[in-house]
Amino acid sequence: NAGVTQTPKFRILKIGQSMTLQCTQDMNHNYMYWYRQDPGMGLKLIYYSVGAGITDKGEVPNGYNVSRSTTEDFPLRLELAAPSQTSVYFCASSYPEVTGELFFGEGSRLTVL
Amino acid sequence: AQTVTQSQPEMSVQEAETVTLSCTYDTSESDYYLFWYKQPPSRQMILVIRQEAYKQQNATENRFSVNFQKAAKSFSLKISDSQLGDAAMYFCAYRTYTGANSKLTFGKGITLSVRP
Repeated sequence: NAGVTQTPKFRILKIGQSMTLQCTQDMNHNYMYWYRQDPGMGLKLIYYSVGAGITDKGEVPNGYNVSRSTTEDFPLRLELAAPSQTSVYFCASSYPEVTGELFFGEGSRLTVL
Repeated sequence: AQTVTQSQPEMSVQEAETVTLSCTYDTSESDYYLFWYKQPPSRQMILVIRQEAYKQQNATENRFSVNFQKAAKSFSLKISDSQLGDAAMYFCAYRTYTGANSKLTFGKGITLSVRP
């Protein structure tokens, strides 16, 4: 049981480049999330999805886009990368009606130079 | 909007001793979940303990227990018999039960160090 899988685990980007962080879960969870964690800080919500075809903004959505075409996948797209997007990104999923907890991926460390 | 506050950025405890990590939250909801997550240097987010607001009994998981005071909106984590492996960052988190706004809100975290 793989749980939540994120790729890549590390990436260095140049300013202005674009990339997609991939996230997939095999638990048939309908809720999925993207968080970012800056050094010494808590996690801030970027985008979330309550099911395939439905996405919504979190606290810090600027500079990012998401899509949810299937239950399993929830990719996060960074357009025109900026140094302020240097962070660790976490994907998570949950089936809130059962336990409420989020299951997290291992995180993706992104550096924008 | 819901907020979660962890006012202590760092704490230290002697191995085998007990330590309590504080957390307060603000909400107008009556039904919700509260969590403590542990983040070791590997940065993996690990669920430590969960409390449902409608339950009056405080949750316990082995050496970990909570003191849930609903009226005071307080949710502290007690770690008994601290071990070196408990050294990590700990996050308090809040979540409403269900609905379109059912997302986890985190505090800023507290770094716990364990002295041998």
